[in-house]
Amino acid sequence: AQSVTQPDIHITVSEGASLELRCNYSYGATPYLFWYVQSPGQGLQLLLKYFSGDTLVQGIKGFEAEFKRSQSSFNLRKPSVHWSDAAEYFCAVATGTSYDKVIFGPGTSLSVIP
Amino acid sequence: NAGVTQTPKFRVLKTGQSMTLLCAQDMNHEYMYWYRQDPGMGLRLIHYSVGEGTTAKGEVPDGYNVSRLKKQNFLLGLESAAPSQTSVYFCASRRLLAIQETQYFGPGTRLLVL
Repeated sequence: AQSVTQPDIHITVSEGASLELRCNYSYGATPYLFWYVQSPGQGLQLLLKYFSGDTLVQGIKGFEAEFKRSQSSFNLRKPSVHWSDAAEYFCAVATGTSYDKVIFGPGTSLSVIP
Repeated sequence: NAGVTQTPKFRVLKTGQSMTLLCAQDMNHEYMYWYRQDPGMGLRLIHYSVGEGTTAKGEVPDGYNVSRLKKQNFLLGLESAAPSQTSVYFCASRRLLAIQETQYFGPGTRLLVL
């Protein structure tokens, strides 16, 4: 069965520290891969997307993600976290140009200590 | 440019009542989506549309109907609300065949069914 897992339910980091959020997926073929951020009471904002090409993807707000086919992983990273990065982060996979077969992970909640 | 807007922001229904949620986008996007978000879970796709006059089922379509009579609007209807439909509903839009990925989410509609 197709699935997306985010092993860490909650992560706390200090401001200025580096961050890595994990995402693993199970899919028949390489799907579109996404990371989104959701601030409290807000809709989701797309951080970055991967489909093909360079396995290191740059996104907005200083985030990047690396696709590792052998590990079926798409981990999100940021070298230096800011207090405003505190939010919920969702990994998602989709297939087809319509993104009709889309699965979201359960999310990782990030807290940032000033 | 308002992006994606959702109406209403919050609604309380009694079991069996009906209502319509409105999603509007002013970016001339072809694709539009309705998702629901439940506690501890990622978003799940209810219905989507690839253009004016078209709709299709997503992962969890039962109990919902949709219409896309105008390109800028995507309506989600609940004919007979059930407590299981208590959720936060998000609308999203996306441009077809964009070089850069463009996905925008609305702020959400919080629905409580008693």
